[in-house]
Amino acid sequence: DVKVTQSSRYLVKRTGEKVFLECVQDMDHENMFWYRQDPGLGLRLIYFSYDVKMKEKGDIPEGYSVSREKKERFSLILESASTNQTSMYLCASRRGGAAYEQYFGPGTRLTVT
Amino acid sequence: DQQVKQNSPSLSVQEGRISILNCDYTNSMFDYFLWYKKYPAEGPTFLISISSIKDKNEDGRFTVFLNKSAKHLSLHIVPSQPGDSAVYFCAASRTGGTSYGKLTFGQGTILTVHP
Repeated sequence: DVKVTQSSRYLVKRTGEKVFLECVQDMDHENMFWYRQDPGLGLRLIYFSYDVKMKEKGDIPEGYSVSREKKERFSLILESASTNQTSMYLCASRRGGAAYEQYFGPGTRLTVT
Repeated sequence: DQQVKQNSPSLSVQEGRISILNCDYTNSMFDYFLWYKKYPAEGPTFLISISSIKDKNEDGRFTVFLNKSAKHLSLHIVPSQPGDSAVYFCAASRTGGTSYGKLTFGQGTILTVHP
């Protein structure tokens, strides 16, 4: 079974802090993704990585950056947290190639006060 | 621009009956479609998928139908069980080129199955 883990289930940070969210997958997947989930908006793609050190912006990258130094680990960074970044953050991974599903971690509920 | 839409925020069904969840998309480049189920405080779990070369895919109690001309897909759950109560997301993807399996999600439909 694919396992995707995220470093924290719940996180509370102050406005202006730098925040790191970590994601690790154990299936040697090439592709990794960060989404945020907000009520009524579904899941929206923030950034994704198709290989080590390779990254591309998703639909809502503003205020975020990412890092992928090792194949199994994909980090999401909030450079200066703001209250509108309060959300559920979900990491996913996927085998490279045509039609494969993404596997999700349990999510991190981030609250920025 | 919402390329994938689930127009019903919620659906309530009696146990044993059929649940039908609907999804519409606008981007004709999408050629692979998926349904995910999500319980509160958990990540989404993959349920079933369908390629655009098919119009139906079945897996146990779950069947997905794809109508390409209408840009519409639906998920049928028969029979519905209380444990099916969750949020259901449809998602769409392009399999070619440099898409890398990026998914575009709908807003989700909350399914409640009453005993």
